[in-house]
Amino acid sequence: GNSVTQMEGPVTLSEEAFLTINCTYTATGYPSLFWYVQYPGEGLQLLLKATKADDKGSNKGFEATYRKETTSFHLEKGSVQVSDSAVYFCALSGDSGNTPLVFGKGTRLSVIA
Amino acid sequence: DTAVSQTPKYLVTQMGNDKSIKCEQNLGHDTMYWYKQDSKKFLKIMFSYNNKELIINETVPNRFSPKSPDKAHLNLHINSLELGDSAVYFCASSQGGLAGQIFGPGTRLTVT
Repeated sequence: GNSVTQMEGPVTLSEEAFLTINCTYTATGYPSLFWYVQYPGEGLQLLLKATKADDKGSNKGFEATYRKETTSFHLEKGSVQVSDSAVYFCALSGDSGNTPLVFGKGTRLSVIA
Repeated sequence: DTAVSQTPKYLVTQMGNDKSIKCEQNLGHDTMYWYKQDSKKFLKIMFSYNNKELIINETVPNRFSPKSPDKAHLNLHINSLELGDSAVYFCASSQGGLAGQIFGPGTRLTVT
């Protein structure tokens, strides 16, 4: 079945540091890939997505590229802020419409001033 | 306007009770979902409905019964609550898999 593996946290960075959160996946067919963010005490927000190989999703300074050859979708940001502290989830959905998301276990990011 | 709303936001109840969580979306989406997030933040699909029809039931105990009176609503009823049911329950909706799912704010259920 489909699965997502993301790096264990927690990750602690100083403000303005470079962020990478690794995500790899196993899936049949051509899944869509997503990053969701969960701020403390809140629900999940869609951060960015990519629907086919070599697509780059980007939002709020974050970006991730769909790499079919390495089955990866790593999240990056060039300069993190304290307000980026949250839990980040990598997820995929199958290549047929409206299939449920399969999530990674989440990576907690703490950014200190 | 809230796209996906859930009520209540917090629910504290005793073992053995029956409770319901409600979800509504005003996005016109055809598909709605319930996910469970455990204490370690792991998210797992429970149910999926498309146009009021159940399409996915992921080995959830039959104490959990979803009901979709129309495609804008998906409620979750839980009978005989157990300690292990304590979690955050998220409702979500989507229109096609490519756009991603929109999540509600979650309902934190605590069973004592």
